[in-house]
Amino acid sequence: NAGVTQTPKFQVLKTGQSMTLQCAQDMNHNSMYWYRQDPGMGLRLIYYSASEGTTDKGEVPNGYNVSRLNKREFSLRLESAAPSQTSVYFCASSEQANTDTQYFGPGTRLTVL
Amino acid sequence: GIQVEQSPPDLILQEGANSTLRCNFSDSVNNLQWFHQNPWGQLINLFYIPSGTKQNGRLSATTVATERYSLLYISSSQTTDSGVYFCAANQAGTALIFGKGTTLSVSS
Repeated sequence: NAGVTQTPKFQVLKTGQSMTLQCAQDMNHNSMYWYRQDPGMGLRLIYYSASEGTTDKGEVPNGYNVSRLNKREFSLRLESAAPSQTSVYFCASSEQANTDTQYFGPGTRLTVL
Repeated sequence: GIQVEQSPPDLILQEGANSTLRCNFSDSVNNLQWFHQNPWGQLINLFYIPSGTKQNGRLSATTVATERYSLLYISSSQTTDSGVYFCAANQAGTALIFGKGTTLSVSS
C-alpha cells in the first residue's frame, strides 16, 4: 500500500496564478484533510472531508477551495495565489472524522513569489 | 476551541539519554495523538492515546485526561529520533488542534 500520496512535491507560483494540489489514499478511509505548516506555527487545518460528498472548513480556509472527487481523492485549489500562501501543505486521512489516527502524505512545498 | 501547548520547545540530547516531552491541553478531549516529523518532513503517527499508557519499543506515552496532560517518553535516544514531536488533540465533532512542537536533536 502506498498510503497517502500527494502531487506535486514542489511548486513555485507567481502571485495571482492558480493551481490544484492532489491527494489520494488507498486505505479505504472515509475522512480526508488538508493542513498547512508554517515555521513556528505547527499544523493548521484548512479543510476536511468527513465522508465522500461532504466538506467542512477548518481553522484557515480563506483563499482555498476543496473537492472530494471520490472516496480516494481530495484536492485543494488555490484560485489566486498570494505570498501568504507560501507553506508546506499536508494531506491526511483517517477511518473516521477527527476520532482516530490520522495518516499523513509526504507534503507539497509551495512558494508563491 | 481547545488550546494545546507543548514543552520544552527545544531539546538537545546525547545519544543514549532519556527524555520526557509534555503536552498540556486546555479542556477535556476525546482524541490525543503524538506525531514525529523527521528531518525530511515526513509526519509519522506515534500514538493514539486519549487516555492511559501505551508503549512501542523505546517510546511510550501516558495521558492523564482528568489532569489535561500527556507525556511522551523516549528512552535510550538515538540520532534517528531527531526531528519535531507534535501533540494534537480535539473534542468530539471538532477538528484536531496541533501544538507547536518540540524540536529534538540527538547527537552521537
